[in-house]
Amino acid sequence: EPEVTQTPSHQVTQMGQEVILRCVPISNHLYFYWYRQILGQKVEFLVSFYNNEISEKSEIFDDQFSVERPDGSNFTLKIRSTKLEDSAMYFCASTREGRTEAFFGQGTRLTVV
Amino acid sequence: AQSVTQLDSHVSVSEGTPVLLRCNYSSSYSPSLFWYVQHPNKGLQLLLKYTSAATLVKGINGFEAEFKKSETSFHLTKPSAHMSDAAEYFCVAKGIQGAQKLVFGQGTRLTINP
Repeated sequence: EPEVTQTPSHQVTQMGQEVILRCVPISNHLYFYWYRQILGQKVEFLVSFYNNEISEKSEIFDDQFSVERPDGSNFTLKIRSTKLEDSAMYFCASTREGRTEAFFGQGTRLTVV
Repeated sequence: AQSVTQLDSHVSVSEGTPVLLRCNYSSSYSPSLFWYVQHPNKGLQLLLKYTSAATLVKGINGFEAEFKKSETSFHLTKPSAHMSDAAEYFCVAKGIQGAQKLVFGQGTRLTINP
């Protein structure tokens, strides 16, 4: 069964450093998402991506964040200068167009020290 | 604001007894609705989905949910809880206000007592 894969599973970085979280969505899916879950809190929407551009983003997704689909398979989330409060589990998801369900990756746990 | 509300942050039941996890949505549209489960240190797994077909939806592991438009609810049930059901459960809506993004409820932590 096809699945969304995320790498790395865990990343530790120093405050102020840039990180890139990687995702490989399911190949015939058209919408891609990043969500995050700070420990003990709800899952928060960051950004959705469709047709090679951002279709929607939340207030959390400020200028420090960017997304790319560089090669037609990978979907990356970059945080330019990490802050302590960026520590969270980051989930990538993809979905076909329409009312269908999203498939989530296993997540990347980002720890900023 | 369009939203999803899970009425209980924590539910505790005994093994073998019924489970009820409540979810209400707020929307001018009829969204697609999903329940996802998250086991400790794991990703999000789809339990079941409602996408405007049958209002009673059956999912994996004996779970089911009923979409009630008049009550704007999509409660998750299971007749008999198993220890392996202990996890965090998220009610999720898609298509609120026509957007493709998923809107998550706050989550309900289900604890199963032996």
